[in-house]
Amino acid sequence: DAGITQSPRHKVTETGTPVTLRCHQTENHRYMYWYRQDPGHGLRLIHYSYGVKDTDKGEVSDGYSVSRSKTEDFLLTLESATSSQTSVYFCAITPFETGGSNTEAFFGQGTRLTVV
Amino acid sequence: KQEVTQIPAALSVPEGENLVLNCSFTDSAIYNLQWFRQDPGKGLTSLLLIQSSQREQTSGRLNASLDKSSGRSTLYIAASQPGDSATYLCAVIYNFNKFYFGSGTKLNVKP
Repeated sequence: DAGITQSPRHKVTETGTPVTLRCHQTENHRYMYWYRQDPGHGLRLIHYSYGVKDTDKGEVSDGYSVSRSKTEDFLLTLESATSSQTSVYFCAITPFETGGSNTEAFFGQGTRLTVV
Repeated sequence: KQEVTQIPAALSVPEGENLVLNCSFTDSAIYNLQWFRQDPGKGLTSLLLIQSSQREQTSGRLNASLDKSSGRSTLYIAASQPGDSATYLCAVIYNFNKFYFGSGTKLNVKP
């Protein structure tokens, strides 16, 4: 299994509070992603990173920010949590490098976040 | 926006049956395609990656094919087992870093 660890695995928080989820990898991969998974919507990309301090938005980025200060860590912050952000959050990595063709994605075990 | 469709949404078969799961996509200019399985409450486990220059990939009892021109991929599972019960997701990859997921096929293999 790819070395991806998400923390925490479960969290309950109150509306309006900030929340940070962490994704840690031991594979030294350049690309890292944050997705959320919801019934009826499937997996949707929130943000991704293509290197240290290099990030970009996905399709559902409103209300979320990310940071990547080290290759191995990718943080997702909910600046002021809302009930609509109750979801399961997944981190993913791929070994893709410029000039290569391997985009095989590996996923973490997920973080179940409940905003009350 | 790319659309990825998986049919059927759910499938129940007796143990030992061979089965086919389908994935279709609207834009044939894909980079790669990847199949995953997801067990309840778990993350996604990579099954097979088919690069755009390939037509199929095999791993054990699994075989995935890709037909870019028709916008289709199939995942063939031979001699199904109860342990194969899970949700199977396909992801179409564009521009090497844009993943678009189908909504999945929930498979139940009955002993």
